[in-house]
Amino acid sequence: IAGITQAPTSQILAAGRRMTLRCTQDMRHNAMYWYRQDLGLGLRLIHYSNTAGTTGKGEVPDGYSVSRANTDDFPLTLASAVPSQTSVYFCASSDPLSGTDTQYFGPGTRLTVL
Amino acid sequence: GQNIDQPTEMTATEGAIVQINCTYQTSGFNGLFWYQQHAGEAPTFLSYNVLDGLEEKGRFSSFLSRSKGYSYLLLKELQMKDSASYLCAVFSGGYNKLIFGAGTRLAVHP
Repeated sequence: IAGITQAPTSQILAAGRRMTLRCTQDMRHNAMYWYRQDLGLGLRLIHYSNTAGTTGKGEVPDGYSVSRANTDDFPLTLASAVPSQTSVYFCASSDPLSGTDTQYFGPGTRLTVL
Repeated sequence: GQNIDQPTEMTATEGAIVQINCTYQTSGFNGLFWYQQHAGEAPTFLSYNVLDGLEEKGRFSSFLSRSKGYSYLLLKELQMKDSASYLCAVFSGGYNKLIFGAGTRLAVHP
């Protein structure tokens, strides 16, 4: 693995189903983030984690949950998907101790909820 | 509130220079980022400004004026591969971390 990966690449999901989007990074970054990107709205922060074992809510957390059991993995779960959660989801990571806290993004997951 | 404004779309000619503006109003400021995003791909880091002035990196330069809440990204010697969206993002600290503008879609034509 080089950098940050996400799975699946895309998914079509029936409303009401549970879904977990996976994110893994091998850069040993402490901080990780989940964003959703919708046309005309830009990237919006869903949840974040400053370090393993801690998580926090972003701008649009409702309907989503996260966990951070270790440094590398940061899964995002939709407990009961709704059509408004149709979006492109990006995971990102950063090293706050680097000085700039630049975020590096995974390739994204395109999710369609019908 | 938190607000970041940038033009929705711009067009430019191959070989030319284009300036993409970004104005922001945020509750805090710890730096401003520019990202490039090609269609269907992830955003990739271009530049970071924390102090006033111009940061030059090859064909790309980024300018910041904190007192005016203003930044621009300057792209020189445009190439077709520069056709992409350019995202302005402010690091405001706190739980919000990075606040993104909606992005500027740049089309470079021959």
